[in-house]
Amino acid sequence: SAVISQKPSRDICQRGTSLTIQCQVDSQVTMMFWYRQQPGQSLTLIATANQGSEATYESGFVIDKFPISRPNLTFSTLTVSNMSPEDSSIYLCSADNNEQFFGPGTRLTVL
Amino acid sequence: TQLLEQSPQFLSIQEGENLTVYCNSSSVFSSLQWYRQEPGEGPVLLVTVVTGGEVKKLKRLTFQFGDARKDSSLHITAAQPGDTGLYLCAGALGYGGSQGNLIFGKGTKLSVKP
Repeated sequence: SAVISQKPSRDICQRGTSLTIQCQVDSQVTMMFWYRQQPGQSLTLIATANQGSEATYESGFVIDKFPISRPNLTFSTLTVSNMSPEDSSIYLCSADNNEQFFGPGTRLTVL
Repeated sequence: TQLLEQSPQFLSIQEGENLTVYCNSSSVFSSLQWYRQEPGEGPVLLVTVVTGGEVKKLKRLTFQFGDARKDSSLHITAAQPGDTGLYLCAGALGYGGSQGNLIFGKGTKLSVKP
């Protein structure tokens, strides 16, 4: 298994600002992913964070809005840019070590 | 488009009752995962099933993977209030050491009343 931590655990932000979420894994993993989860809902994949190359985004998500970094095999960041209230959600990172394990999530509220 | 239909969406039962949650798809998955999530936390992996027809047991939880690897079920025997949570099934399309991105069902919100 893999132990995953995320920072911050929660934040309240103003409209128009940006927030960067950090994800740290306790071991090297090939693949890391970022998901969004509306309260009480299931998970929607935002993008695959690729080490050494640009992230691969799912339909409906773009790099300008959700830039992602993956500088090494244990760390990734997701930025939510130019936020609006519609971006209020839980953001989760996961690490694929033959099975996928999830971080505790970052609960974002945009006012 | 790969879809994973999960049912029921909501389930409220009394302690001691049995229940089954279903996940169905027209796609074939390399593996299927079941997660449980509590409020304010990330999903926690319960089990991975890989082989068609596979049955795995985890105490009072029984997981089954369909023969064609397109569907799965989770059966809980004698449910307890501690089983309350959001149960998510997720199908994996990747092979060879990586699951690739997961296709998630919509989740089943289970409430077990004492």
